[in-house]
Amino acid sequence: EAGVTQFPSHSVIEKGQTVTLRCDPISGHDNLYWYRRVMGKEIKFLLHFVKESKQDESGMPNNRFLAERTGGTYSTLKVQPAELEDSGVYFCASSRTGGTEAFFGQGTRLTVV
Amino acid sequence: LAKTTQPISMDSYEGQEVNITCSHNNIATNDYITWYQQFPSQGPRFIIQGYKTKVTNEVASLFIPADRKSSTLSLPRVSLSDTAVYYCLVDRRGTGGFKTIFGAGTRLFVKA
Repeated sequence: EAGVTQFPSHSVIEKGQTVTLRCDPISGHDNLYWYRRVMGKEIKFLLHFVKESKQDESGMPNNRFLAERTGGTYSTLKVQPAELEDSGVYFCASSRTGGTEAFFGQGTRLTVV
Repeated sequence: LAKTTQPISMDSYEGQEVNITCSHNNIATNDYITWYQQFPSQGPRFIIQGYKTKVTNEVASLFIPADRKSSTLSLPRVSLSDTAVYYCLVDRRGTGGFKTIFGAGTRLFVKA
């Protein structure tokens, strides 16, 4: 089966601009997660979707970040406006309902200059 | 979620068995212990998961004592391609999914 796909793989934007990251989970996976690792830090949970609903968004850093999953398929994570400290690698993962493992994408490396 | 503590780095040689121990003193009843492997420029990849006692699959074994406050990932006969970061995680099962807290990970270097 196809894995979790993230687009773009790299993005370089200027401070104050907007960037939208996309994640296509494995087909049939109702659970979709966003994580990120900023420079030198650990991978941190951002939020969890069950289908199109936000189950847990306790890790979202602030209101400049907006995640959506319309239709319960792919998800987007928008950063508006981007700040320098948003630079890092953003990972998406998905899992089946009742599944025991999360499948991760390769990540999107975001650089804000 | 329970915080995990594991060694920052470990060195090994090809063909050796590698054991990486992780502590999770505050693990809760419905938490599962999971290990992931990550190579540079890739996302974490699931290796093994367990609740208690011993679990074995085609790539690793996981030993969890009765108190569940620690766990040990065992990699038999490592090769150069096993050089990676290994994360010990605690997953709390929730409504259909789970929330994963990553620690710092253990950077394993396998030498020829």
